[in-house]
Amino acid sequence: QVQLVESGGGLVKAGGSLRLSCAASGFTFSDFYMTWIRQAPGKGLEWVSYISSSGSAIYYADSVKGRFTISRDNAKKSLYLQMNSLRAEDTAVYYCARGQSSFDYWGQGTLVTVSA
Amino acid sequence: DIQMTQSPSSLSASVGDRVTITCRASQYISRFLNWYQQKPGKAPKLLISAASSLQGGVPSRFSGSGSGTDFTVTISSLQPEDFATYYCQQSYSTPWTFGQGTKVEIK
Repeated sequence: QVQLVESGGGLVKAGGSLRLSCAASGFTFSDFYMTWIRQAPGKGLEWVSYISSSGSAIYYADSVKGRFTISRDNAKKSLYLQMNSLRAEDTAVYYCARGQSSFDYWGQGTLVTVSA
Repeated sequence: DIQMTQSPSSLSASVGDRVTITCRASQYISRFLNWYQQKPGKAPKLLISAASSLQGGVPSRFSGSGSGTDFTVTISSLQPEDFATYYCQQSYSTPWTFGQGTKVEIK
């Protein structure tokens, strides 16, 4: 069965960095676009970034462009999100999800808390 | 960016009720519209893609319709496990955007 497991979240000070990981299993990871989506506490969903199956195509939301970097390692079946220059407004649960434009499988999420 | 507006923001309904949630896009999105269900503390679940295509394993009491700018998801007979928050999402142009959510609560 398809599984996505995020890790790497935690408490970080504003201006700091964090790297999220998402370990995939149960499907051919290298065949699929992958996406990061976040949800601030008590708020709605916000698309963050996607990466193509080969890693050659990448897109970011304006709110994270220049600060976040998405990447993947198909040999390790893993997706990453390097987050730099973190701000209080980046506080959210970060989900990895399978797909480019609709998301049929999601991880359980990892909480990132940015303190002022 | 395309703005997605859902209505209502919340509703109270009883088991067995027919429930309809509306999603309106700020510009034309053809049928590039997806619906998700999220229960507290859980990840969202894809229910419907391309406005009306039910995902595998999703009960047939769920249905989606619409095109252009106006879309709906309908639950024909609300079940206890359907109490959740529902989000629409446009996949017509990046950045993909979500509606603010509709919380379906027990009356």
